[in-house]
Amino acid sequence: TQLLEQSPQFLSIQEGENLTVYCNSSSVFSSLQWYRQEPGEGPVLLVTVVTGGEVKKLKRLTFQFGDARKDSSLHITAAQPGDTGLYLCAGARAGNNRKLIWGLGTSLAVNP
Amino acid sequence: NAGVMQNPRHLVRRRGQEARLRCSPMKGHSHVYWYRQLPEEGLKFMVYLQKENIIDESGMPKERFSAEFPKEGPSILRIQQVVRGDSAAYFCASSLSRAGGPGEQYFGPGTRLTVT
Repeated sequence: TQLLEQSPQFLSIQEGENLTVYCNSSSVFSSLQWYRQEPGEGPVLLVTVVTGGEVKKLKRLTFQFGDARKDSSLHITAAQPGDTGLYLCAGARAGNNRKLIWGLGTSLAVNP
Repeated sequence: NAGVMQNPRHLVRRRGQEARLRCSPMKGHSHVYWYRQLPEEGLKFMVYLQKENIIDESGMPKERFSAEFPKEGPSILRIQQVVRGDSAAYFCASSLSRAGGPGEQYFGPGTRLTVT
């Protein structure tokens, strides 16, 4: 059973389009992180959200943490080929923030 | 400020040999995590260590795999008598030692192990 479900699993879009990917769970997390991984490299931390309902923006990326802290979304505006990669979400459970629970990722391809 | 360092980046071993993967955490980080990733798959947690202590090894296979993080020097993930199924990318991550933090982990570039 996957505690963090990411959807869609794969996404292929054209440059300039908008997209949203999701990270859902039935469990409550004290915080949730989003990472991007490019082929042949390690994941790179993009953002951490901590408060229910929190919205954080990183240039064209908008991250939202659900009110109940069970889910999160990542919205990309005007996607560019440089956004291509595997987007991973990882949650920290209350009382055990050292061991993260990982989703399987959304593989995004942005075509020029 | 150097990030997480892993070496080697690529490692080729014949079946039955030993593989040693090294990880130096970010400066000031005393928590190290090892993950394994197969192509087109997410990260699978293997083990979490602090200096001289294994905190959680629930993701480690019971046989042939071991990990250490000595007081001095890098963390080592050791795989004895490798088999073809051990071929994967192995990532190390580190985090700060302070309690109550959000658990943000910073990753190294990984070691790609190929068993022939």
